[in-house]
Amino acid sequence: DAKTTQPPSMDCAEGRAANLPCNHSTISGNEYVYWYRQIHSQGPQYIIHGLKNNETNEMASLIITEDRKSSTLILPHATLRDTAVYYCIVRADSGGGADGLTFGKGTHLIIQP
Amino acid sequence: GAVVSQHPSWVICKSGTSVKIECRSLDFQATTMFWYRQFPKQSLMLMATSNEGSKATYEQGVEKDKFLINHASLTLSTLTVTSAHPEDSSFYICSALPEYEQFFGPGTRLTVL
Repeated sequence: DAKTTQPPSMDCAEGRAANLPCNHSTISGNEYVYWYRQIHSQGPQYIIHGLKNNETNEMASLIITEDRKSSTLILPHATLRDTAVYYCIVRADSGGGADGLTFGKGTHLIIQP
Repeated sequence: GAVVSQHPSWVICKSGTSVKIECRSLDFQATTMFWYRQFPKQSLMLMATSNEGSKATYEQGVEKDKFLINHASLTLSTLTVTSAHPEDSSFYICSALPEYEQFFGPGTRLTVL
């Protein structure tokens, strides 16, 4: 699976959009971009994933650049409960395979009141 | 979404004893479950892949005789930490794969005195 690079921490004001970047310059054509988050002392939570098109769900939007070498997770209206470590993971299958996930260090997003 | 539970949520034991942690998929069946470990201020590390009806697959550096995994049914996997020592104190998290994305349990905090 391709390596990802994320900033170690970010701050965002409550109510504003939080934009979390991820670089994955060595991504292969069949690799998906996944985002998970982990609130302190809890198990990780799936957020969203995509291959090359932008994706949106009830939690967030995922913007993938045309060359697929980077992506941005957008939380449109951040709340204090969005404070967590956000992990960007690149993997070759759509999740239906039997491989565990490789977590990097992630970005610690702190939402400020 | 799919729900994964773990029991117990926390456990304190004496050095040399064995501890069993259960991981259950509550509303789906999971042929494959995963076990992760997370030390303080670090990211999750995959320990092993648990397959229903067959032997678990362990990641490099994880002792299979120390971390016994049993996946006896499609809704239950257990991790037994045998002869636990203080260095085994960690946050143990399981995940299950109903279809395309992994759903994580809430984690079990193990403290070995």
